[in-house]
Amino acid sequence: QVHLQASGPGLVKPSETLSLTCTVSGGSMNDNYWSWIRQPPGQGLEWIGYIHYKGNTHYNPSLQSRVTLSVDRSKNQFSLNLNSVTAADTAVYYCARDSPVPNYWGQGTLVTVSS
Amino acid sequence: EIVMTQSPVTLSVSPGERATLSCRASQSVSFNVAWYQQKPGQSPRLLIRGASTGASGIPARFSGSGSGTEFSLTISSLQSEDFAVYYCQQYNNWPPTFGQGTKVEIK
Repeated sequence: QVHLQASGPGLVKPSETLSLTCTVSGGSMNDNYWSWIRQPPGQGLEWIGYIHYKGNTHYNPSLQSRVTLSVDRSKNQFSLNLNSVTAADTAVYYCARDSPVPNYWGQGTLVTVSS
Repeated sequence: EIVMTQSPVTLSVSPGERATLSCRASQSVSFNVAWYQQKPGQSPRLLIRGASTGASGIPARFSGSGSGTEFSLTISSLQSEDFAVYYCQQYNNWPPTFGQGTKVEIK
């Protein structure tokens, strides 16, 4: 059974970069798409983007100028960098396997943007 | 970007009753709609893909229907573990977008 675990700082200052890593266990990263999705507190879900295990990426146009996804297959990890954050980026960030219909989700990690 | 609109916002249902949730797309998305269940403090769980195909391990009481712009999720006989928030998602166009959710609560 595939398991995903997101990790990273829970507090980021405005204008700085939010960086999260998702560690995949129980399966190979090969032949799959790996996604990031976020959910502001009490709100709905927003797709951030996905990365293919070979490194091809596809971003939500609303975030494209600020987002970078990367993958490290040797560590079974993929990562999210979101720069120039504001309070509007405060959310629970989920990593997931598959795109555009994720079947496996990590538990989510809350990132708060505040000074 | 395609907007997905769910109704109602909240649905009050008694255990054992049938619940029908609706989702409307701002333009046609063919059959490319998925449904998710989310309980407090948990990540979403995939229920339905392709508008009507149940995901692996999902009980048969969950069913989906629709095409084009109108979709529905039906829970035939609500169990206690089904009280949650349900989201629809279109994946016909990039970016995939979600509805704002329908909360199914105990009546």
